[in-house]
Parts: sequence; C-alpha cells; structure tokens
Amino acid sequence: AQKITQTQPGMFVQEKEAVTLDCTYDTSDPSYGLFWYKQPSSGEMIFLIYQGSYDQQNATEGRYSLNFQKARKSANLVISASQLGDSAMYFCAMREFNTGFQKLVFGTGTRLLVSP
Amino acid sequence: GAVVSQHPSRVICKSGTSVKIECRSLDFQATTMFWYRQFPKQSLMLMATSNEGSKATYEQGVEKDKFLINHASLTLSTLTVTSAHPEDSSFYICSARDEGRFEAFFGQGTRLTVV
Repeated sequence: AQKITQTQPGMFVQEKEAVTLDCTYDTSDPSYGLFWYKQPSSGEMIFLIYQGSYDQQNATEGRYSLNFQKARKSANLVISASQLGDSAMYFCAMREFNTGFQKLVFGTGTRLLVSP
Repeated sequence: GAVVSQHPSRVICKSGTSVKIECRSLDFQATTMFWYRQFPKQSLMLMATSNEGSKATYEQGVEKDKFLINHASLTLSTLTVTSAHPEDSSFYICSARDEGRFEAFFGQGTRLTVV
C-alpha cells in the first residue's frame, strides 16, 4: 500500500531564506508520481510541483525544486527565497500509476511560517 | 485551463437534513473524480473515488449510505451527506483528473457545519 510520511509538523523560516520540507514515501509500484501542494488558510489546494519516478532530473518550478532521492524514497521540497505569502500548509502526495484509479494519497502536512 | 469548481463553499444545515455538494470540471472531461474530507489541522483523507456512469468506490470505513456519490456526467460529480450530524461537520474537497495531465486539480472546498 502506498504511504507518505511528513515528519515536520511545523517549520519556521525567515523571509528570503531557503527552506526544505521533508517527505518520504513507500510503494511497491515502480511507476508513480510525487506531488507537492500548498494549502493556504482559504483551503484551496494549489499544485506546486511534480516528479515522476522515471524522471532523471529533479523537478523545478520557479522558486520550488524537488530533491528526489529515489533510493532513499524521499522527495523533499525546497523553497528558495521565501516570501511572506509562502506561509501555508504544504502537503506531499503520491499517485501509483499501476493501481486502479490512481488515487492521490497525502501526507500529514507541514505548516510553514515565514517571518519578516 | 483545468479548472474545477465546487459549490457551495460554505453551508450550515440542521441535524437530520441532507446536503448536496457539487464538483464540476469546467474545461475538461473527468471520468474520475475524488472526494476528500479534511478535519481542522489535519490532512486530506480520501473518502471515495467517483467514476462516471458507475458506482463510486469507497475507502474503508466510509459509510456508503451516509455519503452518496453520483457521477452522472463527465463534468459533474455530487456528494450528498444524508441525515447529517454535527460530527459530519468538516471541510470537503473534490479533485478531478485531466487525463492529459499528471496533477490533480481541486475544487475550492466546502465547509460544512451541522447544527
């Protein structure tokens, strides 16, 4: 069964600094995708970045990059040059591509607070 | 593109009544939609997978008769909370997959309060 683990309930970072949010996963499916979503207090889920299990390079999207270490089954999110607007909940998620409906399963989340 | 609209965003209902939440994919067709529930300060828990034209697939522990899901078209799935109780109060959020994209797109969520 697929499993996502986020061990940091909360993280603090100063504005303009970089921060890494940890995510480890477990799956027996060789074909899977890893996702990071941001959830501000309004509740909407904002897609940030995607990494496929067969991707050779780490994904990057603007200030977001994903540190994908397949052998260690980790997919940490790195946010560079933090901004006050980055304060939110961040969820790591995984989809197994060879299972039924390819449902997206989430980790417990990390609350990020960016201070001035 | 890939917009998912969920309605209503907030609803308050009395115990014992039913509430219907709609999830629409506005600019793509979604054969599969997913319904999640989120308690305060917790993660999204998958409740069920909604399949167009067939019965929904519920996760273990989710009451099928309480949470009725209908996916009557390729752009609309509905979740009906039947005989609502205060413990059903929660944030419900749907997502839909555009087959040509890896990521799932989410509705704005519905905050249900049962009084």
